[in-house]
Amino acid sequence: GQQLNQSPQSMFIQEGEDVSMNCTSSSIFNTWLWYKQDPGEGPVLLIALYKAGELTSNGRLTAQFGITRKDSFLNISASIPSDVGIYFCAGRKDGGSQGNLIFGKGTKLSVKP
Amino acid sequence: NAGVTQTPKFRILKIGQSMTLQCTQDMNHNYMYWYRQDPGMGLKLIYYSVGAGITDKGEVPNGYNVSRSTTEDFPLRLELAAPSQTSVYFCASSEGQPGSPLHFGNGTRLTVT
Repeated sequence: GQQLNQSPQSMFIQEGEDVSMNCTSSSIFNTWLWYKQDPGEGPVLLIALYKAGELTSNGRLTAQFGITRKDSFLNISASIPSDVGIYFCAGRKDGGSQGNLIFGKGTKLSVKP
Repeated sequence: NAGVTQTPKFRILKIGQSMTLQCTQDMNHNYMYWYRQDPGMGLKLIYYSVGAGITDKGEVPNGYNVSRSTTEDFPLRLELAAPSQTSVYFCASSEGQPGSPLHFGNGTRLTVT
C-alpha cells in the first residue's frame, strides 16, 4: 500500500540542540499533519499544513509543506527533555476520502539533559 | 473535556476468545476511526465511519468488525482472537471536513496468547 518514508528512524540529541525530521512520498498530498506520541498515550496533533510551501510554527516547532507536495519537514529548536517521544507525520492525498490518511513509521526522539 | 475515551486500557486474551474494544467521543464528531499500532510501525487504519450507521474498511480490516449506532460510540469487535492481533489499538475522531485533524484516545494494549 501507499507509504510515507519518515526519517530518521531515531535520534539521540543533547538538550538545547535543534532537531530536524522529514517525510517523503512518491505521491502528491493535499494535507500534512505532524503528531507527537508520549509513552502510553495517543498521538497529539502538533501542526497541520494545508498548502504547498506553507510554513507554520507552534512554539519551538516549525513545519513546512514541501513545494512539490510530496514532502514535509518538522524542526524543533532548542530541544528540552519533555520533547522526548515519537513524532509521526501523516498525509492525505488529493481526492482521498477521510479514510486515506497515511502515517509514517515515526521518529523516536531521545534528549539527554 | 473528555475527548476520545477508550476502554479497557489493557487486556490479555487467549487465542479464539472474543472481545469488544470500546470507544466514545463527546465532541460531536461525525468521523471516527480505529487504528492499530505495531512496534516500529506507523498507524494502520482498520475501519472508519463517516457517521452513524455508516462504516467502511480501512487498510487492515480482516479479523475485525465495527458498528456505529450512535454518533458518540464506535466499538471494535474481535471475534476469534489471534496472536497477530496483539497490538495497541487507537480510536480517533475528526470533524470530517477535508484535512481536519484526528483526535486520538489513549489506546488499548491487547495481548493475545
